[in-house]
Amino acid sequence: TQLLEQSPQFLSIQEGENLTVYCNSSSVFSSLQWYRQEPGEGPVLLVTVVTGGEVKKLKRLTFQFGDARKDSSLHITAAQPGDTGLYLCARTAGNKLTFGGGTRVLVKP
Amino acid sequence: ETGVTQTPRHLVMGMTNKKSLKCEQHLGHNAMYWYKQSAKKPLELMFVYSLEERVENNSVPSRFSPECPNSSHLFLHLHTLQPEDSALYLCASSQENTQYFGPGTRLTVL
Repeated sequence: TQLLEQSPQFLSIQEGENLTVYCNSSSVFSSLQWYRQEPGEGPVLLVTVVTGGEVKKLKRLTFQFGDARKDSSLHITAAQPGDTGLYLCARTAGNKLTFGGGTRVLVKP
Repeated sequence: ETGVTQTPRHLVMGMTNKKSLKCEQHLGHNAMYWYKQSAKKPLELMFVYSLEERVENNSVPSRFSPECPNSSHLFLHLHTLQPEDSALYLCASSQENTQYFGPGTRLTVL
């Protein structure tokens, strides 16, 4: 089983602070996706990264894919309470997804 | 609203009951999925249907029985479940590499 490790498991910050969450694997990703899941809802795709070293920005969210394609990070600038949720990374293999355990983020007003 | 709906949203059942979870997608996708999300494990893929044929059964116990009567509907039939089967059951659909998830059914087995 190719495990995905996400860290930290839980993060609590004040509104306006920055945060970074990580996704690591011992094996190479063909591509990786980041999802956010809010309470009572299913995961929603944020981004797909494919190329080693790739950086993608989505408003205040910055996604990086490691040069060796074994790790990825998600950085949120000036977090807002609406950013609260479970952040999941997932390895893609065709139409199959293998998820990490997730990082639960709480942004306090 | 992702275009994938699931019913019921909450279900409590005894170990001897038989129940079914329903998923419907309004996106015209050709693949549908069942996932299990429990507190102690990462989100796990259970079943994959592509063009109404089951193409993946991820070592799921036989007390879970999926059914895909057409490309828009997916069911998960449940019988003689165990308390450890209590979890959030998520349905998803996809056309290519992006999966769209429903809100899930929160299942509690007593």
